[in-house]
Amino acid sequence: EVQLVESGGGLVQPGGSLRLSCAASGFTFRNQWMSWVRQAPGKGLEWVANIKQDGSEKYYVDSVKGRFTISRDNAKNSLYLQMNSLRAEDTAVYYCARDSDGYEYWGQGTLVAVSS
Amino acid sequence: EIVMTQSPATLSVSPGERATLSCRASQSVSSKLAWYQQKPGQAPRLLIYGASTRATGIPARFSGSGSGTEFTLTISSLQSEDFAIYYCQQYNHWKTFGQGTKVEI
Repeated sequence: EVQLVESGGGLVQPGGSLRLSCAASGFTFRNQWMSWVRQAPGKGLEWVANIKQDGSEKYYVDSVKGRFTISRDNAKNSLYLQMNSLRAEDTAVYYCARDSDGYEYWGQGTLVAVSS
Repeated sequence: EIVMTQSPATLSVSPGERATLSCRASQSVSSKLAWYQQKPGQAPRLLIYGASTRATGIPARFSGSGSGTEFTLTISSLQSEDFAIYYCQQYNHWKTFGQGTKVEI
């Protein structure tokens, strides 16, 4: 059974940092692109970033470029999102998702709240 | 950035009726279009990918069509569990979602 379990969310002040993690199981993690997708409270879905199987290619939505860094550790079957210089508008539930033709598998999400 | 526009924003239907949801891309995305269903407090669920291929375990009452810039999700006979928000997503160039269509009673 495919499982994606996010962790690391919480309350952070504007300008602060957080590192999200996603533990993957039930599939060959090193063979899959992976993504982070977020959803602000009461709003729609927004793709944030994705990363190639070997980490050699990474792509970001414009609003997070230079502030967020996606990475992975294939030995640990884990995906990460380092978020720096956080803003109020980054407040959202962050999902990790297995990236193929659409996102068939999603985690349960982890809430990031940016507020003073 | 490819902008995805869904219509209508809200669709009011009765159980057993047919629902037709539309999604338009600001430029061609070929057939790289997916549809998702999301219920409150849950992660999205993939319904359709490749514009018209049902994902694993998705009932046959869900069907997708279109290519290029115009796409449609049809629910042939709405069941009570189908009342939710539906999103389209293009994955031809980066990935962008539509703003969603809420299907309500």
